[in-house]
Amino acid sequence: QVQLVESGGGLLKPGGSLRLSCAASGFTFSDYYMSWIRQAPGKGLEWVSYISGSGTTTYYADSVKGRFTISRDNAKNSLYLQMDSLRAEDTAVYYCARVIHRGSGYSDYWGQGTLATVSS
Amino acid sequence: EIVMTQSPATLSVSPGERATLSCRASQSVGSDLTWYQQKPGQAPRLLIYGASIRATGIPARFSGSGSGTDFTLTISSLQSEDFAVYYCQQYNSWPPTFGLGTNLDIK
Repeated sequence: QVQLVESGGGLLKPGGSLRLSCAASGFTFSDYYMSWIRQAPGKGLEWVSYISGSGTTTYYADSVKGRFTISRDNAKNSLYLQMDSLRAEDTAVYYCARVIHRGSGYSDYWGQGTLATVSS
Repeated sequence: EIVMTQSPATLSVSPGERATLSCRASQSVGSDLTWYQQKPGQAPRLLIYGASIRATGIPARFSGSGSGTDFTLTISSLQSEDFAVYYCQQYNSWPPTFGLGTNLDIK
């Protein structure tokens, strides 16, 4: 069965950096776009970034463009999100999700999420 | 970007009754709309895609309808496990955008 397991969350100060990871199993990882979607505490969902199966195409929300970098290692069935210049408003649970690439995409499987807290 | 507006923000319904949740897009998204269910402390779960197609394993009491700008999620006979927050999301254009959710709670 499809499984996505995130790791790497933690408590950071503003301006700091964090790298999130997502380990995928149960499907042919390289066949799918993958995404990071976040949810601030008590708030709704926000699409952060996604990446094509080959890793050559990436998209970012305007709110993170230039600060976050999505990448993947298909040999390791892993997805990453490098988060730099962190701000308090980046505090959220970050979900790794498999993307069905129709139009701009939707997610059919999600991990359980990892919490990143940015606070001084 | 396309703004998704869900109503009502909170819906109180008794078990066994029908629940109707609405989602409106600020411009046409065709049928490129999904519904997700999220329970406290859990990740969202895909219920409906293509506005009306149930995802794998989703019970038949969940149905989606609509196209263009107006969409509806109907739960025909609420079970205790259905009380949760429901989000719609459009995937017609970049960026994909979510509504703020409808909290379906027990009356």
